Amino acid sequence: ETGVTQTPRHLVMGMTNKKSLKCEQHLGHNAMYWYKQSAKKPLELMFVYNFKEQTENNSVPSRFSPECPNSSHLFLHLHTLQPEDSALYLCASSHGTGVSGANVLTFGAGSRLTVL
Amino acid sequence: RKEVEQDPGPFNVPEGATVAFNCTYSNSASQSFFWYRQDCRKEPKLLMSVYSSGNEDGRFTAQLNRASQYISLLIRDSKLSDSATYLCVVRGAAGNKLTFGGGTRVLVKP
Repeated sequence: ETGVTQTPRHLVMGMTNKKSLKCEQHLGHNAMYWYKQSAKKPLELMFVYNFKEQTENNSVPSRFSPECPNSSHLFLHLHTLQPEDSALYLCASSHGTGVSGANVLTFGAGSRLTVL
Repeated sequence: RKEVEQDPGPFNVPEGATVAFNCTYSNSASQSFFWYRQDCRKEPKLLMSVYSSGNEDGRFTAQLNRASQYISLLIRDSKLSDSATYLCVVRGAAGNKLTFGGGTRVLVKP
């Protein structure tokens, strides 16, 4: 078990549903991330939060809405998704976001999303 | 040109053999470099950071060539458990953006 916990591990939803992915880190990190991993494609950065403030939104469609109530919790709210949004959504955390060697990412196990 | 590029493989490696593969990056101002390992249907996990002088961790050796803008990973005495996808990760000049390569798949066979 990593220090980053994601729930649910699997989610199937219709295009009109609203659901949320949850991420919690127990590592005392200050930065949290959402990544999308689709088949045959590199990990794509979606959002970065540092000290619960959003510092990066990588041109993500508004049907994905992140929320970071504190440095330990991160949510990804999903609504009116498309089938092409089906992917593995990975949460990660790090001490900070600068160039320090300490700022490596620790990933959660991911939430595998299928949109019908 | 992709920011971070890897040969997707697979590299089919006999158990006990040595395998090496590279990762090229396009931004000459990139600051730091990492290798992550991802097992099938699992999350990526940090394998090792890559230092300018090169570094070794057991059977794994990582090298950085800034002039030619690539990093490499060498695995000696391959084990069956080394079968995985190896992800190259580059931190950009701005510091807060990590870019992942598509991964190199390694299959170690008996």
